[in-house]
Amino acid sequence: DADVTQTPRNRITKTGKRIMLECSQTKGHDRMYWYRQDPGLGLQLIYYSFDVKDINKGEISDGYSVSRQAQAKFSLSLESAIPNQTALYFCATSDAGTREFFGPGTRLTVL
Amino acid sequence: SQELEQSPQSLIVQEGKNLTINCTSSKTLYGLYWYKQKYGEGLIFLMMLQKGGEEKSHEKITAKLDEKKQQSSLHITASQPSHAGIYLCGADGSGNTGKLIFGQGTTLQVKP
Repeated sequence: DADVTQTPRNRITKTGKRIMLECSQTKGHDRMYWYRQDPGLGLQLIYYSFDVKDINKGEISDGYSVSRQAQAKFSLSLESAIPNQTALYFCATSDAGTREFFGPGTRLTVL
Repeated sequence: SQELEQSPQSLIVQEGKNLTINCTSSKTLYGLYWYKQKYGEGLIFLMMLQKGGEEKSHEKITAKLDEKKQQSSLHITASQPSHAGIYLCGADGSGNTGKLIFGQGTTLQVKP
């Protein structure tokens, strides 16, 4: 879905570095999500936000933080990256009663 | 908490063959979504099912939600190489909370 963009698309970093992944959407949705995908594990919810003032932890929030800068922007940060955070990260948006629209993903490698 | 189990985890079929992927929930499904993902890429929305007994089709792909709303199946007729990828079911288990949980995915390979 081109209405949801993620930057960067690929990132290689070293253990201990701070990393920020950004997500922007032009769909006007209130709800935004961050997921990570590991092979054979499907998608796991990291954080989600139902509006600018609402931030909630998902299944696997440890080691991550988020910021909802505006309705259209939702950033995911790794304060001190570790190798087991190597994964494919997806941002998604939705409104009540609608499906989730996914971004193209960010491939993060932590060495 | 609700869990989704997909079966099989992987599947290799000959082009032209039919196949079925199942998604079973540990709790009642209030909305069931099917997505397809090409390796390492984003998710493509296929279908959403909400009502028990509901069935939807798009091209050669048909998805059903059983009457008890705890299982969904995705059926592909006359598979083609373009059908290859990872199929994921996702569900809003608590009724419009907006938080989807996902199955672990089914990897499909279609041999020409």
